[in-house]
Amino acid sequence: GAGVSQSPSNKVTEKGKDVELRCDPISGHTALYWYRQRLGQGLEFLIYFQGNSAPDKSGLPSDRFSAERTGESVSTLTIQRTQQEDSAVYLCASTARGHGNEKLFFGSGTQLSVL
Amino acid sequence: GDSVTQMEGPVTLSEEAFLTINCTYTATGYPSLFWYVQYPGEGLQLLLKATKADDKGSNKGFEATYRKETTSFHLEKGSVQVSDSAVYFCALAAYSGNTPLVFGKGTRLSVIA
Repeated sequence: GAGVSQSPSNKVTEKGKDVELRCDPISGHTALYWYRQRLGQGLEFLIYFQGNSAPDKSGLPSDRFSAERTGESVSTLTIQRTQQEDSAVYLCASTARGHGNEKLFFGSGTQLSVL
Repeated sequence: GDSVTQMEGPVTLSEEAFLTINCTYTATGYPSLFWYVQYPGEGLQLLLKATKADDKGSNKGFEATYRKETTSFHLEKGSVQVSDSAVYFCALAAYSGNTPLVFGKGTRLSVIA
């Protein structure tokens, strides 16, 4: 597609439920990032995929968070047993070369609200 | 670890006013510095960058100069427009080039006619 697409744009869920967020990167971009932004905070790195290499999961805040990406296509971020502190905007970005190519292309984000 | 601190918002200006959004950083070595902008309803996009000390990045009338002595990268524009209303993020990339971008909290700018 023309840009990075994320869905849903908004998600309201109850505490304890699982949620799945989707990111469609720009075609041909080998690198994909997930960030989140909690209210009043900066963008917090979560996970990084580069081609077929093992993902960098160093930013995932707990084992309730996981993400998958098959090749250079769609990625899904899954949050199990959601907690209120998971409420945030989840941002996906892709780029052609990964670290060292600082021009990240971001989606509009998914606003997650956990009640 | 590396970090970026930018001024708290929101910032509200009248059209044609001068804009400064402060950004300072903490990093080892010589990072690259960036400003990203997020317009309403859109994703973040790169506005400008500077990769070494004393470099000036510029785009769309915005400028920022990489000041190593003060570890700063303040964003400036001489005359803002209503269309500049957005959230501005300062960011850095480590010199090693093998870690993700580190972002500040963002500063919301509202320009009123």
